[in-house]
Amino acid sequence: QKEVEQNSGPLSVPEGAIASLNCTYSDRVSQSFFWYRQYSGKSPELIMSIYSNGDKEDGRFTAQLNKASQYVSLLIRDSQPSDSATYLCAVNMEYNFNKFYFGSGTKLNVKP
Amino acid sequence: NAGVTQTPKFQVLKTGQSMTLQCAQDMNHNSMYWYRQDPGMGLRLIYYSASEGTTDKGEVPNGYNVSRLNKREFSLRLESAAPSQTSVYFCASSEWGGSNQPQHFGDGTRLSIL
Repeated sequence: QKEVEQNSGPLSVPEGAIASLNCTYSDRVSQSFFWYRQYSGKSPELIMSIYSNGDKEDGRFTAQLNKASQYVSLLIRDSQPSDSATYLCAVNMEYNFNKFYFGSGTKLNVKP
Repeated sequence: NAGVTQTPKFQVLKTGQSMTLQCAQDMNHNSMYWYRQDPGMGLRLIYYSASEGTTDKGEVPNGYNVSRLNKREFSLRLESAAPSQTSVYFCASSEWGGSNQPQHFGDGTRLSIL
């Protein structure tokens, strides 16, 4: 079983809609959670991080963490065509903060 | 501000050849990482260096070696390249290996092994 699972997509949403991206993880000692955006042929760039249960908002982005259910999600409000990219979920472990595990990513298409 | 710089950007090797991928960061970060990214597999950690003078294995270390030359530089060496090592390699750094420290990535090296 992979440490971090994501639906590969593609997830298609119309411009202006809310895009909802989900990620589940297998290790209960996972400590911190990160969402990265990766445009085709480019390197990952950090969008948000979350460490505590609940919601964390940053502009149009909201990360949600539920440690009891072992999932983390990313909501993108007012989706724009420029949000079209692959979104990677990453977690690191309480026993070794240097070991990051990435999901395979969800491809998001925002249609004008 | 360059951030994380990787060289080369592209490379084609023949099976059995060796090469070193270079990575340097100018953010005074303590921790550095090497990942590979294959289609449908996401990023997988090869090796990391929590601080200058230390290196540790990640998820997929076989066939690779690393050197943390100084605080700025972290190199990845393929001693005898195999077609299975065809991938995109990313170097990353973080201020320190804490739980809430994000990683900053270089632009990647696209490596093909024939």
